[in-house]
Amino acid sequence: ETGVTQTPRHLVMGMTNKKSLKCEQHLGHNAMYWYKQSAKKPLELMFVYSLEERVENNSVPSRFSPECPNSSHLFLHLHTLQPEDSALYLCASSQDPPGTDTEAFFGQGTRLTVV
Amino acid sequence: EDQVTQSPEALRLQEGESSSLNCSYTVSGLRGLFWYRQDPGKGPEFLFTLYSAGEEKEKERLKATLTKKESFLHITAPKPEDSATYLCAVQAGQLTFGKGTKLSVIP
Repeated sequence: ETGVTQTPRHLVMGMTNKKSLKCEQHLGHNAMYWYKQSAKKPLELMFVYSLEERVENNSVPSRFSPECPNSSHLFLHLHTLQPEDSALYLCASSQDPPGTDTEAFFGQGTRLTVV
Repeated sequence: EDQVTQSPEALRLQEGESSSLNCSYTVSGLRGLFWYRQDPGKGPEFLFTLYSAGEEKEKERLKATLTKKESFLHITAPKPEDSATYLCAVQAGQLTFGKGTKLSVIP
């Protein structure tokens, strides 16, 4: 496989459930990102990892918990979500750390619906 | 605060009817401006990076240009398969995206 792969592609969960989103990049990149995309809104950066260390957390609620066990894998653990958390969650990776002029490559996203 | 504004929000074109999408930005210390294409239900697909005013890049029917305050994505003789949402993003401290322009090309 090449590029950035996200699983699952679709997820429906109740507000009391716990689930995890998975992202794997096959590009040898050093930085990975989680973005949230809601209708009519720009992509919102949630978390950034550079060389497996979290470098940014844009005031995301604690019901979202990221994990980066190595430079190729990124997880987003979800618990006690709210209906307004329903969105497309996108993972991305870049060769160089954030703040440099390097393009990000995105996965296909996980469409999350909270019921 | 970095800001990116894309216009129009939506654009309908007849096949073969050329047009331009606009991305205006306010950022301190631009390191790069990026264009992405996004199909429904999918992740953004990287198209171009522009670094300095006056720079131009082309790919098939698409041409991106950059000035000190805005970027244009010119679409020449579009085809239905060019229908997508086109996203612009600027890189300073972090990557800031606009809301996108939804392009529909009618056969």
